[in-house]
Amino acid sequence: KNEVEQSPQNLTAQEGEFITINCSYSVGISALHWLQQHPGGGIVSLFMLSSGKKKHGRLIATINIQEKHSSLHITASHPRDSAVYICAVPRNSGNTPLVFGKGTRLSVIA
Amino acid sequence: NAGVTQTPKFQVLKTGQSMTLQCAQDMNHEYMSWYRQDPGMGLRLIHYSVGAGITDQGEVPNGYNVSRSTTEDFPLRLLSAAPSQTSVYFCASSLTVHLGAFFGQGTRLTVV
Repeated sequence: KNEVEQSPQNLTAQEGEFITINCSYSVGISALHWLQQHPGGGIVSLFMLSSGKKKHGRLIATINIQEKHSSLHITASHPRDSAVYICAVPRNSGNTPLVFGKGTRLSVIA
Repeated sequence: NAGVTQTPKFQVLKTGQSMTLQCAQDMNHEYMSWYRQDPGMGLRLIHYSVGAGITDQGEVPNGYNVSRSTTEDFPLRLLSAAPSQTSVYFCASSLTVHLGAFFGQGTRLTVV
């Protein structure tokens, strides 16, 4: 079974700072997911990526398949980015359900 | 577009009671799943379904039943509620197992 580790667990940043959240996993995968959980509890999918880099607005996700590692970057952070960011990967290689990291709680202070 | 509709949002049960959490999606997604989220732990898979008539167990299936009679609906049944089932429950759907998932708003369940 894939083991997912996220770091840091908690992160506090000043508005405008560049944020990096890391995700490592143990079993080779076809794709990795980044999700955001709002303070109110709702969960939305941000990215699904299998190689390279994806960008959406101020969010950038990168993945290194060989090193089994992904990063989520937030440029010019804003208080509205405050949320829990969750990494997820397939449980095993192949077509298996996802297993989730414990999340990184981000607080951006104005 | 409704997306994934999950009800109720809050529920308090007494130990031993049974209840059903409802989940419906209007996106014609084949894959649906139920998770529980507990403090300090990631989302854990309870049960999932890859299509109507097909269900399978996840990591923590004990004490829960599911059925998938239609593509749209995937209810989760608690057979005899226990305090250990106090948690926040999320339903999700996606086109396939690995494509981006749409989540319901969650159900905060307390068993006393």
